[in-house]
Amino acid sequence: EIVMTQSPATLSVSPGERATLSCRASQSVSSNLAWYQQKPGQAPRLLIYGASTRATGIPARFSGSGSGTEFTLTISSLQSEDFAVYYCQQYNNWPRMYTFGQGTKLEIK
Amino acid sequence: EVQLVESGGGLVQPGGSLRLSCAASGFTFSSYWMSWVRQAPGKGLEWVANIKQDGSEKYYVDSVKGRFTISRDNAKNSLYLQMNSLRAEDTAVYYCARELMITFGGVITALGYMDVWGKGTTVTVSS
Repeated sequence: EIVMTQSPATLSVSPGERATLSCRASQSVSSNLAWYQQKPGQAPRLLIYGASTRATGIPARFSGSGSGTEFTLTISSLQSEDFAVYYCQQYNNWPRMYTFGQGTKLEIK
Repeated sequence: EVQLVESGGGLVQPGGSLRLSCAASGFTFSSYWMSWVRQAPGKGLEWVANIKQDGSEKYYVDSVKGRFTISRDNAKNSLYLQMNSLRAEDTAVYYCARELMITFGGVITALGYMDVWGKGTTVTVSS
C-alpha cells in the first residue's frame, strides 16, 4: 500500500501571502496525484490533478508541482476563502485503488 | 446541473448492515467510474471502493474487503454500497464521488481523481 504523508499538519499564513503545502509518497506515483480542498461541513473539491493541472473553475493562484514521490501545492496569494483543509491523493492504475494524505489545515495567522 | 445525492445512512448496531444509495443526475452516469469515500468524525478522507462503468471491475480498501459490496444500476443512475458486519470504526460520513474523465488527443480517459462529490450521508455504528 502506498502511504501519503502531508506536511505540515497545520500551516498558519496571513492573507495575501504565499502558502506552500507538501505531500510525499512512500513510493513513486509518477504524476498520478491530486489535491483537494475541504471546508467545514462541505464535501471536498478537486483543485489539481495529474500533479499540476488545475481542475475546471479553479483560480490560477492554485498551482501544483512535483512527480515521483515529492509534490507541492502552492497558493500564491491567500484569499479569505482559501483557509481550509487540503488533501493530496494518489491513484494506482491497477489495481485501481487510491489513498489520501492525512491533510494539512491552512489557518489564518 | 451535475449532482450526486446520497441516502441510506443512519444508526446501526455493531455487526449490523446498511445499504447506502447515491442518485446521480445531470450527466451520463453509465460513462463514469464511481467511488465511495468516507470521513470519520474529525478525521481525514479514506477511499473505500470504486466500480467501473459497466460494473465489471470493483476495488476495495483492505479494511472493508469481504464486508462491503459496491454496485451500480445504470438504468436507474444509481450507485450503492452494501455494508455488512459493521464495526464502530466504520462510523463516518460516506461520500459518493464521480471519477474524472478527460479527452486527450481525441481519446477519452478515465482518471482516478474525484471531480464531483455528493454532500454525504452519515453512518453511525454504536450500541
